[in-house]
Amino acid sequence: SYDLSQPLSVSVALGQTATITCGGDNIGNKNVHWYQQKPGQAPVMVIYRDINRPSGIPERFSGSNSGNTATLTITRAQVGDEADYHCQVWDSSTDLHVFGPGTKVTVL
Amino acid sequence: EGQLVQSGAEVKKPGESLKISCQGSGYIFTNFWIGWVRQMPGKGLEWMGIIYPDDSDTRYSPSFQGQVTISADKSVNSVYLQWSSLKATDTATYYCARPLSGPDEAFDIWGQGTMVTVSS
Repeated sequence: SYDLSQPLSVSVALGQTATITCGGDNIGNKNVHWYQQKPGQAPVMVIYRDINRPSGIPERFSGSNSGNTATLTITRAQVGDEADYHCQVWDSSTDLHVFGPGTKVTVL
Repeated sequence: EGQLVQSGAEVKKPGESLKISCQGSGYIFTNFWIGWVRQMPGKGLEWMGIIYPDDSDTRYSPSFQGQVTISADKSVNSVYLQWSSLKATDTATYYCARPLSGPDEAFDIWGQGTMVTVSS
């Protein structure tokens, strides 16, 4: 099965840049999607197909994907960005959606 | 843009059956797949399976195959997740979610979640 890895937690100072990674074997060859989930709420898509931002998502959120690592970057971090962030891919070899374990982002 | 509304929280005993629902609105329901995602308490997201409401074409994650049944009723714009015999380990929040287009796409619309508690 295809596995994704994420850091358990990331801390970022208010107004600084947070970088959240999602690791997988040759993940650069897959489309990676990112979701933000605040406590008690449903996930919200913040990046799809590596780099695309849905309408309504601030430009402070951006994505990249190459080699064995995909990255979600949050610039000028705000208290409202505190949440769990999940990466996701479609594994075409097994026809399965795979989620990463999630990263808790704390804004200090 | 579309919306998915799920049925309310459930409290059940082990061995009982359960069917929860997810109703779509604001878009052509039969044009999009809908998937189910489990989130156990304090844990990450797990994809369970996906269904195309127009013809009920259904795919399951091997982890959930045989454990749950996913179905659809396009006449009422709804999809369902069903258990015939619940276990305590089924305690979780279950989300329905609609992919952007095909079954392999990102999920851009999510239901609010249905919390299922299984306890004796």
